[in-house]
Formats: sequence, structure tokens, C-alpha cells
Amino acid sequence: GAVVSQHPSRVICKSGTSVKIECRSLDFQATTMFWYRQFPKQSLMLMATSNEGSKATYEQGVEKDKFLINHASLTLSTLTVTSAHPEDSSFYICSASSLTGELFFGEGSRLTVL
Amino acid sequence: AQSVTQPDIHITVSEGASLELRCNYSYGATPYLFWYVQSPGQGLQLLLKYFSGDTLVQGIKGFEAEFKRSQSSFNLRKPSVHWSDAAEYFCAVGAGNAGNMLTFGGGTRLMVKP
Repeated sequence: GAVVSQHPSRVICKSGTSVKIECRSLDFQATTMFWYRQFPKQSLMLMATSNEGSKATYEQGVEKDKFLINHASLTLSTLTVTSAHPEDSSFYICSASSLTGELFFGEGSRLTVL
Repeated sequence: AQSVTQPDIHITVSEGASLELRCNYSYGATPYLFWYVQSPGQGLQLLLKYFSGDTLVQGIKGFEAEFKRSQSSFNLRKPSVHWSDAAEYFCAVGAGNAGNMLTFGGGTRLMVKP
């Protein structure tokens, strides 16, 4: 079946540094990718929607300058957490929508900011 | 805006017993509805989805869900729970062209007693 891969699966960084998380659709083209954030023992919250070749659409309350999203190709979207702080520590999950509209989730990336 | 409520934060059932996880949604149009399962520290696995047609939807792992428009509900059921079913379960409603922009409920943690 279709696979969405996220890398890295875990990352630990120092406060003030930037971290890039990749979301790849391995065997299909993803016209749209979605980024979610999940705090411990909580639900997933949609952060932004990215369409290939265009600017991402951010949900209310999500800082676009803090969470940079790039969707440069039909198989890759990246989320960069800029100047990360401990409160940015979370589980980040992407999903990718295929050309037929099917949706597939990545396995998530756990960010810990010290 | 759409919303999803999962009234039960935790549920404990005995292995072999039946299971019903509740989900209520709020959405202005005909909803796209999903149930996902998440094991600790991992991504989401789709159990089943409803777009249209038969209101009783069969999914993987012996799960089913019934869409009841009059009650704005999409409850998940399984006739006999296995220990491996212990996980977090999320109900979601989808918006957008293909219903892929998901709003998740708060989740229900299922524990299975031997």
C-alpha cells in the first residue's frame, strides 16, 4: 500500500536552533500534504495545509514564520521549526493526499527541545 | 466550523467483550467521517471511513461503525475485543474537496483487561 515516510522520527535539539522535518510520499504523488501537531495525551491539531508549488495555508493561531512549510515537489513537504523553544516540543505528524483523494499518514516525528 | 467530540477519554473492557466507542460530530454538510487507531509513539492507522452510501461501514481488524445523521454520531464497534486492540482511538471529520482536511476528536484510550 501507499507509504508516507517522515524523517527524522526523533530529534532532540537545543533551544534557539531550527529543525527540519521531512514528509515524503514514497510511491505516489501527493497534491496536498497536511501537518498536524500532537501534544502528549492529546489529540492532533491541524497546523497547515500545503499544496505543491504554492504557499501553505495555516490554521488560526499557528505562526507561519515559526513553522515554515515548503512543498517543493509532489513527493516532499518539509516543516521547519525555527528558533525552537521547549514549548515547541511535540509530536508532528504529516498526511498526504493522493491524486485520487486517498489520505495516508506518516509515522510522526517527535521533537524535543532542551 | 466542524468539531468532533469523543465523550469517553478512557474505556476499559475485558478481552472478548464487546466494544463501542462514541463519536459525535458537528458539520454543516454531509460529513466525511473517519476512525483511526494510534499505538503509543506511532502514527495513525485508518480503521474505516464513511463518505456516502450504506451507513454501516466495515473496517479492518473486525471494526465497524454506523453513521446516524439524526444523532450526529459515528460510533465505532467491535463484537469481541482482543488484547492487541489496546490503543488510542480517534474519530475525525473531514472537510475540503476530498474530505482530507481532518478535525480530530480528543481521542479515547482503550485498555483491555485479560
